[in-house]
Parts: sequence; C-alpha cells; structure tokens
Amino acid sequence: DAEITQSPRHKITETGRQVTLACHQTWNHNNMFWYRQDLGHGLRLIHYSYGVQDTNKGEVSDGYSVSRSNTEDLPLTLESAASSQTSVYFCASSEGSVTYNEQFFGPGTRLTVL
Amino acid sequence: QKEVEQNSGPLSVPEGAIASLNCTYSDRGSQSFFWYRQYSGKSPELIMSIYSNGDKEDGRFTAQLNKASQYVSLLIRDSQPSDSATYLCAPARGRALTFGSGTRLQVQP
Repeated sequence: DAEITQSPRHKITETGRQVTLACHQTWNHNNMFWYRQDLGHGLRLIHYSYGVQDTNKGEVSDGYSVSRSNTEDLPLTLESAASSQTSVYFCASSEGSVTYNEQFFGPGTRLTVL
Repeated sequence: QKEVEQNSGPLSVPEGAIASLNCTYSDRGSQSFFWYRQYSGKSPELIMSIYSNGDKEDGRFTAQLNKASQYVSLLIRDSQPSDSATYLCAPARGRALTFGSGTRLQVQP
C-alpha cells in the first residue's frame, strides 16, 4: 500500500548540531509539506514543495531548509539546532490537483534539542 | 485576528449525543475545507472534506459550509468514546492549507 513515512520517529540532539529529518512518500504526490506542532500553536508550515527542484518558505522557515531532488523525498534540515526547535514535526503530501488537495500526514518525528 | 478560529475546548458530550464543532476563517479566497482528527500522540487524519456551500454527510459525520459567513462546522452524531480527540479545521486556498489550533472533544461514557 502507498504510504508516507518519517524517520527517525524520535531524536535527541544538542544545541548547534545539524539535524536532518527524512520524509518519504510512495503515492507519487507532487506536493510535500513540513509542519511543526507545538502546544498552543497548532500546525505551522515550515517549508513546502510543489515538485522536483521546487521549494518554498512557509510561516516559520527560519533555521530550516529543504531540498527536493526526486518526487518521493523531502528531507528537512535544521542547520544549527536550537532549543526553540524542540517540537513534533509532521510531513504531509497531496496530489498535484489544485481542486482536490487533501493532505495526508506521516506519523511524525519528536525532536528534542538539549 | 487568527486566520482560522476554533474553540479550544474541551467540548464534553455524553455518549450517543451530537457533538458540534465550529470553525471560522478569515480568507475569503478559501476554496476547499477539511476536517482532521488527531488522537493524542498521533498524526492528523483526514475525516471530511467539503468544497461547496451546504451539507455533506459521511456516516456519522456531517460537514456544513457557509462561505458567505466564512463558517464551517462538523457534526458528529451518536458520539462514541472513540471519537475523543482533537479536531482540526483547515481551509485551503489552492494547494496550501491553514490549520486552526483545534477543538478537543471528550465523549463521556
């Protein structure tokens, strides 16, 4: 069955380290998204991509980067991890249609920055 | 003013009752609307989508949309303890969704 996976599921790192969170989908969806979820803030969009080689900044992109070299993967990199980036990170994908644009979520990665 | 407003709850209803969850949004260009359910510690799960004014029913769930009032709601009939979760409203303009902070629903056995 097609699915979307994230790895690792849990990560503890130290301030200043570079961290990369993986997201892989097998639906062949064009659109992929990264969100963070914190108590009191709901889901906030970090970066998104509408296709290979396309990346865009979301609402809370500072300190994060993404690259899209194929359809299936959108890794999220924290260049220099900060304690404020402790959060739960969700990846999502949707097909290319503008009209029918339901997003489907991965299981999430819980990141702790000490 | 937040782009998407939801009462954080908790909304407590007895088992078998109707739960009514409400959402208002500020972007008049929103074209499609989604309701996600999120259990504690889990990822959001799509339960309903609605694209035009009126009601859309799917099993025990009914989504209602009023674009003129910028209002969307979700009714859950015959609520079950397994419906206890946080419900996220997400209007969309094009391919981008904007999420509300969610309403926590508690169904009491």
